[in-house]
Amino acid sequence: RKEVEQDPGPFNVPEGATVAFNCTYSNSASQSFFWYRQDCRKEPKLLMSVYSSGNEDGRFTAQLNRASQYISLLIRDSKLSDSATYLCVASHSGNTPLVFGKGTRLSVIA
Amino acid sequence: GAGVSQSPRYKVTKRGQDVALRCDPISGHVSLYWYRQALGQGPEFLTYFNYEAQQDKSGLPNDRFSAERPEGSISTLTIQRTEQRDSAMYRCASSPSRNTIYFGEGSWLTVV
Repeated sequence: RKEVEQDPGPFNVPEGATVAFNCTYSNSASQSFFWYRQDCRKEPKLLMSVYSSGNEDGRFTAQLNRASQYISLLIRDSKLSDSATYLCVASHSGNTPLVFGKGTRLSVIA
Repeated sequence: GAGVSQSPRYKVTKRGQDVALRCDPISGHVSLYWYRQALGQGPEFLTYFNYEAQQDKSGLPNDRFSAERPEGSISTLTIQRTEQRDSAMYRCASSPSRNTIYFGEGSWLTVV
């Protein structure tokens, strides 16, 4: 079983729609969580961290459910420019590397 | 430079040849990571360094893969006796702190 699992999609949504991605992690020792965005043929870039209390950055909301070991990302009012692959990331505490999911592809259609 | 720099950007090599991929991290970043990314997959951890010390090499697939960072800055990932299954994007990342990492544009390796 992969340590971080995501639905690969693709999610095809119209402009203005709200879309949500979920991600599950298997290691209960994981302490830090992130969403990275990767555009086609580009490197992954940090989108946002995920905090226990949930956090929002403009149209993006991230939530963490430790009991069920899942992380979610909600995108409101989707834009064409949101089309990308969204990577769920987990890290244990201490000096350990980030573990990436396979990513979920989003296509926002005009 | 401003970001993580990797070279070569594209490398085509014949099966059985050795290749060396170079990473120049963001100046001052303590940690340096190597990941491998196949098409349609997320980055897969290979190894990482804090300064010149290799902290974790558990992700290296086999003993044909090695990495070094002798002066705590530039790093080299070496693949000996390349095989077709080694073909992938090799991504380097650096970090000023434990959790925020910045990727380079990657080195595309094709083994023919």
